[in-house]
Amino acid sequence: DTAVSQTPKYLVTQMGNDKSIKCEQNLGHDTMYWYKQDSKKFLKIMFSYNNKELIINETVPNRFSPKSPDKAHLNLHINSLELGDSAVYFCASSQGTQGGYGYTFGSGTRLTVV
Amino acid sequence: AQSVAQPEDQVNVAEGNPLTVKCTYSVSGNPYLFWYVQYPNRGLQFLLKYITGDNLVKGSYGFEAEFNKSQTSFHLKKPSALVSDSALYFCAVRDMYGAGGFKTIFGAGTRLFVKA
Repeated sequence: DTAVSQTPKYLVTQMGNDKSIKCEQNLGHDTMYWYKQDSKKFLKIMFSYNNKELIINETVPNRFSPKSPDKAHLNLHINSLELGDSAVYFCASSQGTQGGYGYTFGSGTRLTVV
Repeated sequence: AQSVAQPEDQVNVAEGNPLTVKCTYSVSGNPYLFWYVQYPNRGLQFLLKYITGDNLVKGSYGFEAEFNKSQTSFHLKKPSALVSDSALYFCAVRDMYGAGGFKTIFGAGTRLFVKA
């Protein structure tokens, strides 16, 4: 019954590797997001998709590539991982695109690059 | 750009006492303001929002927030704190993105400790 589910929950990998994080929501929301939370708990938006269309693309290195096969799924692929990519990545979803609804967050993926 | 500030890194309160977690905002136009809570090793959970209407907004788990336009504040409150309220609290605001889009900007977070 999980509303927004992310896999994997933990990811430990070496520098230079490529990895993917998957996200699925069963709420029927139109919009999905990726946020990055750093070690100081600061949250920064990375991407947003509305009905499979990219609508927000913040200043994120192009090693990060989101993909939305349908409006219930938003995956994040990261190429050539660097130490600085270590963080917790959260997927979220909301209704509409006007920003008037609260977000539902997944439980996060803790990425550790060694 | 819109922004929110949470002036306290940490708030300590005794169980049963009222709690306040502070948030101030800087926006042009009418603000869309939110509060979220994050428990350890969990995602953020939406607590409440203010868009328009009554300045006192009630949310989940007995929390409420007061919108004060003159002081540009949106403080989170609870009449009687519980130990289980101990968590990280984020204030957030809707910001513009591009030509007509929106995104949510989060404050730095305030850690709440409720002592038994």
